[in-house]
Amino acid sequence: DVKVTQSSRYLVKRTGEKVFLECVQDMDHENMFWYRQDPGLGLRLIYFSYDVKMKEKGDIPEGYSVSREKKERFSLILESASTNQTSMYLCASSLGSTNTEAFFGQGTRLTVV
Amino acid sequence: AQKVTQAQTEISVVEKEDVTLDCVYETRDTTYYLFWYKQPPSGELVFLIRRNSFDEQNEISGRYSWNFQKSTSSFNFTITASQVVDSAVYFCALSEIDSNYQLIWGAGTKLIIKP
Repeated sequence: DVKVTQSSRYLVKRTGEKVFLECVQDMDHENMFWYRQDPGLGLRLIYFSYDVKMKEKGDIPEGYSVSREKKERFSLILESASTNQTSMYLCASSLGSTNTEAFFGQGTRLTVV
Repeated sequence: AQKVTQAQTEISVVEKEDVTLDCVYETRDTTYYLFWYKQPPSGELVFLIRRNSFDEQNEISGRYSWNFQKSTSSFNFTITASQVVDSAVYFCALSEIDSNYQLIWGAGTKLIIKP
């Protein structure tokens, strides 16, 4: 079974803190994604990566950066957390073509106070 | 423009009833893929089905069935004899062949199955 693991299930951080959300997949997938999910807005893509050290901006990259130093790991970084970044964050991975399904982690519910 | 519309924000039915979740999409491409995902209360999205634009056959998997109609740009999902464990948020998504791996997501439909 494909396993996508996010490092934390729940996180509480203070405004202005630097926050790292980690995601690891064990199926050698080329593509990895970070989404945020907010009520009524569905899933919105923050960043994705189709190869090691490669990254592409999604729909809402402002306030976020990412890092992919190894194929299996994709990190989302909030440089200076703000309260409007309180959300559910979902990591996903997929094989390197557009017609394959994505596999998701369990999500990280981040609260910025 | 690419768009996926799930007009039903929330549906509530009693166990054993049949229920249909609607998904309408917009695309200019002739080659595209449609997906349904389930998100139970635990939070992890679970892949249910993928359909490509050239295959309009309906699909049935146990109590689940999908009706893909290109003429109406719809990809509806029906659960027959619903069960409490079907309670979840269901998402429909679209991927185009040249969309650079991005899925366009609907807003989701929250399905509540009451015992």
